[in-house]
Amino acid sequence: EVQLLESGGDLVQPGGSLRLSCAASGFTFSSFAMSWVRQAPGKGLEWVSALSGGGSNTYYADSVKGRFTISRDNSKNTLYLQMNSLRTEDTAVYYCAKRLIAAPGGGGPFDIWGQGTMVTVSP
Amino acid sequence: EIVLTQSPGTLSLSPGERATLSCRASQSVSSSYLAWYQQKPGQAPRLLIYGASSRATGIPDNFSGSGSGTDFTLTISRLVPEDFAVYYCQQYGTSPNTFGQGTKLEIK
Repeated sequence: EVQLLESGGDLVQPGGSLRLSCAASGFTFSSFAMSWVRQAPGKGLEWVSALSGGGSNTYYADSVKGRFTISRDNSKNTLYLQMNSLRTEDTAVYYCAKRLIAAPGGGGPFDIWGQGTMVTVSP
Repeated sequence: EIVLTQSPGTLSLSPGERATLSCRASQSVSSSYLAWYQQKPGQAPRLLIYGASSRATGIPDNFSGSGSGTDFTLTISRLVPEDFAVYYCQQYGTSPNTFGQGTKLEIK
C-alpha cells in the first residue's frame, strides 16, 4: 500500500525551529518529486515547497523562502522540512504529498497525501 | 503567481442534483495543468481530476472536469451524500503551484 506518514509537528515559540519528517512506503520514492502543502486552521491549502526525485531541484513559496529548507534521504525513503525563524502565520497542518507522475520538475498534481502533522507557533 | 478564484464560495444542493463548480485563473494555465481535489473534515485532500479532465485512479465517472486557458469547471453529475465536502482547484503548470480558496458543497 502506498503510504506517507508525517511526524515532527509541535508547539514552538515565534523565532524557533522545527524539523518535519515524512516517511514513504509502497512506491519507488526516489522516482517522484515530493512536496509540502500546509493548511492553516479553517483555511485553504497552500503549497509550501517541492523537491525533485533526485534531490537536486528545490522549489519554495515566497512566504517561506529563506526560512524553510526541503530535503530528502532516498536511502531512508524520507522527506524533510527544516523550518527556521517560525512565525505565528506558519501555524498549520503540514501535509507531505507525492507527485502523480515520475517526471522532471516538482509540484503537482498530488495523488498521495499523508495524514498531516500540526505545527503551532505561539508565544 | 497565478491566482485561482473559485465560485461560488458555498453551493447548497440536494442529493441527486448536479453540481457545477468554477475555477478561474488570473492568467492562462500552462498545458491545462489544472487539478481538482476533494477534502472532507479532518482528512487530507483527495485527487479527483488532473490535466483539467482526466479522472484519477478510483474516481467515479460522475465526476468530470473541463476547461482550458483561464476557465475550468468541475461537474458532479448526480450528488450522493458522500460528495458533500470542500473542493479545491490547483494549477501546477507554473511555479509556484497555487490553489483556489475552495468551494464548500453543502446539503440543502
